[in-house]
Amino acid sequence: GDSVTQMEGPVTLSEEAFLTINCTYTATGYPSLFWYVQYPGEGLQLLLKATKADDKGSNKGFEATYRKETTSFHLEKGSVQVSDSAVYFCALQTGANNLFFGTGTRLTVIP
Amino acid sequence: GAGVSQSPSNKVTEKGKDVELRCDPISGHTALYWYRQSLGQGLEFLIYFQGNSAPDKSGLPSDRFSAERTGGSVSTLTIQRTQQEDSAVYLCASSLSSLSGNTIYFGEGSWLTVV
Repeated sequence: GDSVTQMEGPVTLSEEAFLTINCTYTATGYPSLFWYVQYPGEGLQLLLKATKADDKGSNKGFEATYRKETTSFHLEKGSVQVSDSAVYFCALQTGANNLFFGTGTRLTVIP
Repeated sequence: GAGVSQSPSNKVTEKGKDVELRCDPISGHTALYWYRQSLGQGLEFLIYFQGNSAPDKSGLPSDRFSAERTGGSVSTLTIQRTQQEDSAVYLCASSLSSLSGNTIYFGEGSWLTVV
């Protein structure tokens, strides 16, 4: 069945470090791919998305490219800030129904 | 309202009691989803509605859980005879339609604690 495998956390980085959070997926057909973020004490928010192969989603300095050949959608940011500390969820959506979420990766950025 | 609204935001209930959680989706959104997030866990799909009908109820954990949606808008998730393992954050989300690629917007969740 459809599923998402996400890099285990937690991840701790110093401010201005480079971030990569790996995400791979298994799906029949052609899913849409998403990264959601959950800041402390807040609800889930869409961070970025890509709906077809080779698309790049970007927002707030984060980027992820939909790679069909490697079935991946890794999240990257060149220089993280303390305010990026949150839990990041990779997700895919297929067909007519719901999102399949990864288990989440907690990122802590220290000054 | 501007976003997905959920109530109550926090609920503490005694084991064995029934609880109702309410979700008010973004106006005009036909698809509505319920998820559960347990402490330290990822998101678990419970049920989704397209309009008032629920094509996929496969995620409901037991027959103590039920959900309905009326008027294509507000939805209620009901948990009967609550158990301690039901303690979690219950997240509601909505989107324009259930077609793949539509952005799904989440509410802030209802934190349920069963004591």
